[in-house]
Amino acid sequence: EKVMTQSPATLSVSPGERATLSCRASQSVGSSLAWYQQKPGQAPRLLIYGASTRATGIPDRFSGSGSGTEFTLTISSLQSEDFAVYYCQQYNNWPLTFGGGTKVEIK
Amino acid sequence: EVQLLESGGGLVQPGGSLRLSCAASGFTFSNYAMTWVRQAPGKGLEGVSTLSGSGRSTYYADSVKGRFTISRDNSANTVYLQMNSLRVEDTAIYYCAKPRGASGWESADYWGQGTLVTVSS
Repeated sequence: EKVMTQSPATLSVSPGERATLSCRASQSVGSSLAWYQQKPGQAPRLLIYGASTRATGIPDRFSGSGSGTEFTLTISSLQSEDFAVYYCQQYNNWPLTFGGGTKVEIK
Repeated sequence: EVQLLESGGGLVQPGGSLRLSCAASGFTFSNYAMTWVRQAPGKGLEGVSTLSGSGRSTYYADSVKGRFTISRDNSANTVYLQMNSLRVEDTAIYYCAKPRGASGWESADYWGQGTLVTVSS
């Protein structure tokens, strides 16, 4: 099983600032890496797939990078609606595994 | 418009059973594998089970293997999760999710609203 580790667990950021979230895989997942956003009481929402491709309707302030075992999600200028929990997921093979999440909170 | 609607959650005693359903619309259901993902209260996401579009290939998390069974009815555009021998640690919101692509492993571009399963005496 490929273990996904996210850091930090919590990120305190002021609106308008940049946020950088990290995700590390215990083994290479190639580019089979997705990022999701989840707000309280809601299902996860796909932001990024293929490590760097934005899903339909996702604003360009969200960007993803990396391959193999090291990945990054960057939110260039945080808006009020971006405060949420973010999960990475590898879909290179089964079992599909998720990181523990990074909570982005208002500083 | 793609829609996924889960049902069947509820309160059950340890050792009991439940069957979850996920009714899909807005896409060619039989072309896509479908996945159940769960989230324990205040916790992260866990992939539970995936079933191929044809229904021939199944995948289970080790934590549910031998207790849960995934199935589908392509004529009814519905995927099911039969959960037996339920444990307290199975308490979670269960989401069904559609993959972005129709071949191979993929990220999930649509999710249902989830159905809550509570296992408690």
